[in-house]
Formats: sequence, structure tokens, C-alpha cells
Amino acid sequence: DAGVIQSPRHEVTEMGQEVTLRCKPISGHNSLFWYRQTMMRGLELLIYFNNNVPIDDSGMPEDRFSAKMPNASFSTLKIQPSEPRDSAVYFCASSLSDSNLHFGNGTRLTVT
Amino acid sequence: AQSVTQLDSQVPVFEEAPVELRCNYSSSVSVYLFWYVQYPNQGLQLLLKYLSGSTLVESINGFEAEFNKSQTSFHLRKPSVHISDTAEYFCAVSDPGNQFYFGTGTSLTVIP
Repeated sequence: DAGVIQSPRHEVTEMGQEVTLRCKPISGHNSLFWYRQTMMRGLELLIYFNNNVPIDDSGMPEDRFSAKMPNASFSTLKIQPSEPRDSAVYFCASSLSDSNLHFGNGTRLTVT
Repeated sequence: AQSVTQLDSQVPVFEEAPVELRCNYSSSVSVYLFWYVQYPNQGLQLLLKYLSGSTLVESINGFEAEFNKSQTSFHLRKPSVHISDTAEYFCAVSDPGNQFYFGTGTSLTVIP
């Protein structure tokens, strides 16, 4: 099992540019989560999918953020336009119901 | 709604000394309880979990946690820490809807 795979590992972009983060969950898992981690706010849940359907997106900061899960093996988190305050480490995690979360190694985003 | 409180943001401890990282939660429903560990530049990894049964759970590297329902606590302990235990530790709960709630984390630093 390759685990949760996130790409890219690092992303540096200029303010105003579009950023797309990618995630491949563990095969067979039916839930997928996007988290953001910063020193100031810690670990924040952005959005949660169950069986490819968004269940809770109340953590998405604003309309500049969007997430999709077109199929069970792929999800994207898009920021358009990006701002310096979006700089953080973004984690994707997947799970089976009633099981623990398996995290990817994260994408470190820097917006200059 | 569920919430998790980690009372200590930073815990320095000398090598081979015992350590306790505190975690309290609040919930109106039955929950599962977890401790995750995060090493630098990595995602969170499951350390141990309580789903049901014995209230004392152990990890393979010597950590243990005890579920105390009356005190709504799930404190993490290790009788003798090693340098390699230096990391960030997160307490989490999940509810029947498979929503995960994380504490703000405790940074454990083991001093040689």
C-alpha cells in the first residue's frame, strides 16, 4: 500500500496565481479530508468528502478555495487567486468509516 | 459538537524521564479516541487508538493511553522517553459520522 499520495511536495507561487494541490487516497477508502496546518491556527479541517460527495465544507476559508473529488481515487484543492496568507502546509487524509485517518506527507505552499 | 483540549502546548523532558501529555474531550455522543504523532516535514501518523474494550491501549514504541470516561480524558504516557520521541503529538476524537476533531497539539522535546 503506497499510502496517501500528495503532489507537489512543495509549491512556490506569486500572489494572484492559481494553485492546484492533488491527492490520491488509499484505495478502498471512502472518506477524504483536506486539512491546512499553520503555526498560528494549528490543524484546520477545510473540507470532507464521503463517497466522493462533499459532506462538510464549512472550513473552506472563502470563495477563492474550491475542492473536487471527481472519482474515488483523486481529489484536488484549488486556490484562485492565491494570497500570501494562504501559505501553509496542506494535508490530505483518507479513511474507512470508523477507522483512523491516514495522512499524506503534505504540500508546503508558499505564496509570495 | 465534539471538541478536544490539549492542555500543554510544549513539554520539555529529559531523556529517560517519564512524560504525560494531557488530552480532554467533550462530546454528547460516543466517540473513538486517537493519538497521532507528527515528525518534522511529515504528515500525522497514528500512534494509538481506543475504539472499545480495554480502556488502556498501547503503542509499539512504549506509549500508552487510558480512556477515562468519567473524566473525559485520554492522556498519553511513556515511562521513559527517548530522543527520537521528540515530535508534535495530537489528540483526536471521531464521531459516528466519521468526522475527526483534533486538539491544538503538544510539542514534546526530549533533552539529552
